[in-house]
Amino acid sequence: KAGVTQTPRYLIKTRGQQVTLSCSPISGHRSVSWYQQTPGQGLQFLFEYFSETQRNKGNFPGRFSGRQFSNSRSEMNVSTLELGDSALYLCASNPGFYNEQFFGPGTRLTVL
Amino acid sequence: GDSVTQMEGPVTLSEEAFLTINCTYTATGYPSLFWYVQYPGEGLQLLLKATKADDKGSNKGFEATYRKETTSFHLEKGSVQVSDSAVYFCALSQASGGSYIPTFGRGTSLIVHP
Repeated sequence: KAGVTQTPRYLIKTRGQQVTLSCSPISGHRSVSWYQQTPGQGLQFLFEYFSETQRNKGNFPGRFSGRQFSNSRSEMNVSTLELGDSALYLCASNPGFYNEQFFGPGTRLTVL
Repeated sequence: GDSVTQMEGPVTLSEEAFLTINCTYTATGYPSLFWYVQYPGEGLQLLLKATKADDKGSNKGFEATYRKETTSFHLEKGSVQVSDSAVYFCALSQASGGSYIPTFGRGTSLIVHP
């Protein structure tokens, strides 16, 4: 099976812009989670989608949003980018009721 | 809430040295415990896991034992290689409304010199 894929792998944006990141889970996986990884804060949970519904949400401002499509692919959007949003954004999938996460390679976002 | 504490790095070792990375946790209930590894430029991948007390997870020469009495899940390897250089994350998860959202430690960087 193909692994979790994320596009693009690298992005450079300027403050105030918005960005959309994409994640394709492993075939058959219905849960997709997003994480932000920074040197200062480590790995922080953003949100989880399951069968097109947000099932869990972390403690991030409303500028961070996401959605999931009927084929389980997911997107996350960050509006009004700030310098502090520079991070590696990781997507992970699992079958749905499973305690292991399968991670993609991440999207490295740089905000200038 | 749940939390995971792991030793700060970097841990620097010579090839064939013994590795221990300490991890302790705080959780209500009975979580599953994990070690994930992140190689440079990549996402995290599961290294090993244990789902109940006294379980030992093992993979690629790495081992960790779920110790409920000390709330610990220390990672060990008898002889490290240069290729083991990576960042290691200890994590726990338990069911909440059907989800298993993991709580991660801050990560420990391991550098192995030839």
